[in-house]
Amino acid sequence: DQQVKQNSPSLSVQEGRISILNCDYTNSMFDYFLWYKKYPAEGPTFLISISSIKDKNEDGRFTVFLNKSAKHLSLHIVPSQPGDSAVYFCAARTIMNRDDKIIFGKGTRLHILP
Amino acid sequence: KAGVTQTPRYLIKTRGQQVTLSCSPISGHRSVSWYQQTPGQGLQFLFEYFSETQRNKGNFPGRFSGRQFSNSRSEMNVSTLELGDSALYLCASRNLGRHGYTFGSGTRLTVV
Repeated sequence: DQQVKQNSPSLSVQEGRISILNCDYTNSMFDYFLWYKKYPAEGPTFLISISSIKDKNEDGRFTVFLNKSAKHLSLHIVPSQPGDSAVYFCAARTIMNRDDKIIFGKGTRLHILP
Repeated sequence: KAGVTQTPRYLIKTRGQQVTLSCSPISGHRSVSWYQQTPGQGLQFLFEYFSETQRNKGNFPGRFSGRQFSNSRSEMNVSTLELGDSALYLCASRNLGRHGYTFGSGTRLTVV
């Protein structure tokens, strides 16, 4: 049962345009959502997060939007730059029985085209 | 401060062998998690350790095991290796209750 879904395995965007990466989730108990970026042969690095009590969080070129009623979040990158080409993982945290667990999606590979 | 260190970076093993991977977390981080990354499956959770105790476990067979030492360093072991175990194994550390992980660069395991 995949609780965090990234339905687009890959996405190509022209340099300078907006990149929008999407993520859907099924568990309404998730209280925190995170985006990680991963280059080949490196570990994922934390990019941006959002609490479930907010609907938007912005950090420079990166903005994450959360639509709780639709159980959907998206990461906007604007303007897109060549260095943004990477795999992006959506992740969500849930706390059950005083144990917290972070669940990742399968990732979306973003290609920024020159 | 130093990041999460994983050793070795690359490994080639043959089917049936066993392998041990090592992870040193960020100083002060007592929670260590292990993930398997394969091209079609993304990041799959293996297990998480805190204070030398396994807190959570993913859906992997018993051939995959781990442990954590008193200094928070962790090892994972895979016995009776199969071709399908070829993957990037990532270790991540965090302070418990904080949502953000810091990942190591991973160990690339190839089973031939």
